[in-house]
Amino acid sequence: EGRLVQSGAEVKKPGESLKISCQGSGYRFNTQYIGWVRQMPGKGLEWMGTIYPDDSETTYSPSFQGQVTISVDTSISTAYLQWSSLKAPDTAMYYCASRYSRYDPFDSWGQGTLVTVSS
Amino acid sequence: QSALTQPASVSGSPGQSITLSCTGIGSDIGDHNYVSWYQQLPGEAPKLLIYDVTKRPSGVSDRFSGSKSASTASLTIAGLQAEDEADYFCSSYRNPKSVLFGGGTRLTV
Repeated sequence: EGRLVQSGAEVKKPGESLKISCQGSGYRFNTQYIGWVRQMPGKGLEWMGTIYPDDSETTYSPSFQGQVTISVDTSISTAYLQWSSLKAPDTAMYYCASRYSRYDPFDSWGQGTLVTVSS
Repeated sequence: QSALTQPASVSGSPGQSITLSCTGIGSDIGDHNYVSWYQQLPGEAPKLLIYDVTKRPSGVSDRFSGSKSASTASLTIAGLQAEDEADYFCSSYRNPKSVLFGGGTRLTV
C-alpha cells in the first residue's frame, strides 16, 4: 500500500506565502490522484482540490478556487499546496490523500500538516 | 458547494448497534454509488471505512457496514466498542469531478 508523508508544521504571519508538500512512496505516484483536504480547528473535512500527477490536470473546489494553488513534481513524487498571501482563517490542519480515480475514495492519507497563521 | 448533512453527535452503549446518517441531494448521493465513510480518531488522520456505499477495505472490521436509500447514506456500527469513539465523515462524488464531505458525526460510546 502507498504511503504519503507531509511536510512539518508551519507558523506564519498574515500576508506571508507558504508551500507545503506531500511525498508519495510505495506505489505508482503518477497514476493516482492526490487531493488536499482542510480541517479547521474542531471542524469537519473540506475538499480543496485534486491533481492527477501524470498530466497535472487539477480540479478545485469552488470554495478554494483562486485561494490556493495545487501542483506536483513527478520527478520526486511530491504534490504541493501553496498560498501566496495567508490569512488568519487559513489556520487549519491540511491533509493530502490519494485515490485511484475521481470516483474512488481517498484510501491513503498523509499525517497532516498544521498551518498556523497569526500576527 | 453545500456539504452533506450529518447529525453533529450520537451516543451509544457498548454492545449496542448504532446507525449514522448522511443526507445529500439528487446530484450527489442520490445519483450514484460513490459514497464512502471515514473514521477519524482523536489526533489522527481520517481512515477509510466504507466505499462504494457498502464495500469494506481489507482490514476493516465487519462490524462496520454501509447502505443507501435515495439521497441518504447510512453507516451502521454493530457491537459498539469503546475504541469506536471517534468522528465519522461521509463523502460523495459529485459531478463533474468534485468531492463532498459531510460535516461529521461525533460518536460517544
